[in-house]
Amino acid sequence: SSELTQDPAVSVALGQTVRITCQGDSLRTYYASWYQQKPGQAPVLVIYGKNSRPSGIPDRFSGSSSGNTASLILTGAQAEDEADYYCNCRDNNSGDHWVFGGGTKLTVL
Amino acid sequence: EVQLVQSGAELKKPGESLRISCKGSGYNFANTWIGWVRQMPGKGLEWMGIIFPSDSDTKYSPSFQGQVTISADKSISTAYLQWTSLRASDTAIYYCAISLEMATIVLDNWGQGTLVTVSS
Repeated sequence: SSELTQDPAVSVALGQTVRITCQGDSLRTYYASWYQQKPGQAPVLVIYGKNSRPSGIPDRFSGSSSGNTASLILTGAQAEDEADYYCNCRDNNSGDHWVFGGGTKLTVL
Repeated sequence: EVQLVQSGAELKKPGESLRISCKGSGYNFANTWIGWVRQMPGKGLEWMGIIFPSDSDTKYSPSFQGQVTISADKSISTAYLQWTSLRASDTAIYYCAISLEMATIVLDNWGQGTLVTVSS
């Protein structure tokens, strides 16, 4: 299956840790990448591969994967982290295209 | 500095054709995968397809295969997304994005997006 499933909404208290998950069969074969999108802005890559961060992404963002589930972990959430988060993975059936999850709206309380 | 500059907003009628563009600079355009992503109003991201300009190797999502055409002109460092007959359901923001990462394809640099509105 090429579907990736995310919880529609998650909330976290300021300074606390939150895990945003993504489930799908393709995750057993390929790593997920994670994108942050704030209102009115283009998405930004925050995590890719086993647990790599592009330059400029704070180290409070990390990633993990187990079985058919990938996780984006935010340790010490800040107000500016409030955004939509999307996972993305290569399709394990064809390997010729990629698919996004439905997205998770993160609210920082 | 890596930049992806997309063409401006478009207002079109159903049945019309359209080509939007994405001009890259500050990196090796020909040897970098460039992809297109759709975002319908108030909705999530949808991966449409990706092209390697050097040899025009193109991979489409099954959802978009046959609905759009992705192309690139490496001589002017520009990628394109094209429709032959627009529908109202094509109304969306379209982003181009590139993968500078060599080990895997991830969209690590994005254009500003092009809003396409299809309405009679």
